[in-house]
Amino acid sequence: EVQLVESGGGLVLPGGSLRLSCAASGFTFNTYEMNWVRQAPGKGLEWVSYIDASGTLMYYADSVKGRFSISRDNAKNSLYLQMNSLRAEDTAVYYCARQARTGWDLGYWGQGALVTVSS
Amino acid sequence: QSALTQPASVSGSPGQPITISCTGTSSDVGIYNYVSWYQQHPGKAPKLMIYDVSNRPSGVPDRFSGSKSGNTASLSISGLQAEDEADYYCSSFTSSSTLVFGTGTKVTVL
Repeated sequence: EVQLVESGGGLVLPGGSLRLSCAASGFTFNTYEMNWVRQAPGKGLEWVSYIDASGTLMYYADSVKGRFSISRDNAKNSLYLQMNSLRAEDTAVYYCARQARTGWDLGYWGQGALVTVSS
Repeated sequence: QSALTQPASVSGSPGQPITISCTGTSSDVGIYNYVSWYQQHPGKAPKLMIYDVSNRPSGVPDRFSGSKSGNTASLSISGLQAEDEADYYCSSFTSSSTLVFGTGTKVTVL
């Protein structure tokens, strides 16, 4: 069974940093591209970042470019999102999601981790 | 990258068909067949319902179908059921090598 479990969320001051982790199991992690998607309270889904299976190609939404960094450790079956210079508008539930082998659909999602940026 | 445009809400009675539109541009929906649809119940993670415009993952009821014409994709539910009441989001790959989601549609079963 495919499982994705996020951790590392919490309350952080504006301008602060936080690192989210996503532990993957039930599939061959190093053969799948992965994404982070967020959802602000009461709002819609917003794609955040993508990383290829080997960890060498990354893409970012304009709203986080230069502040967030996606990475993965295939030996640990883990995905990460390093978030720096956090702003109030980054407050959201952050989901990690597994991409299909071909295409850009996100077939499996974690339960989400809440990040609150507030003073 | 601007969000794809969806109606804020759609409603229907049980058994009735509904359709949700998803309008993009010639930089996303119009040129790629990487359009997906997600269902999200309150407090839950999104669930993939349709991928690559019109394909259903295993386990998704066949009353859900997808299509695309030009810059607009559509999700149809042929016979609405109570458990279909949820938020629905479309997404598309873009020419900037990013993903973009739709604004979301709340489906209400009357």
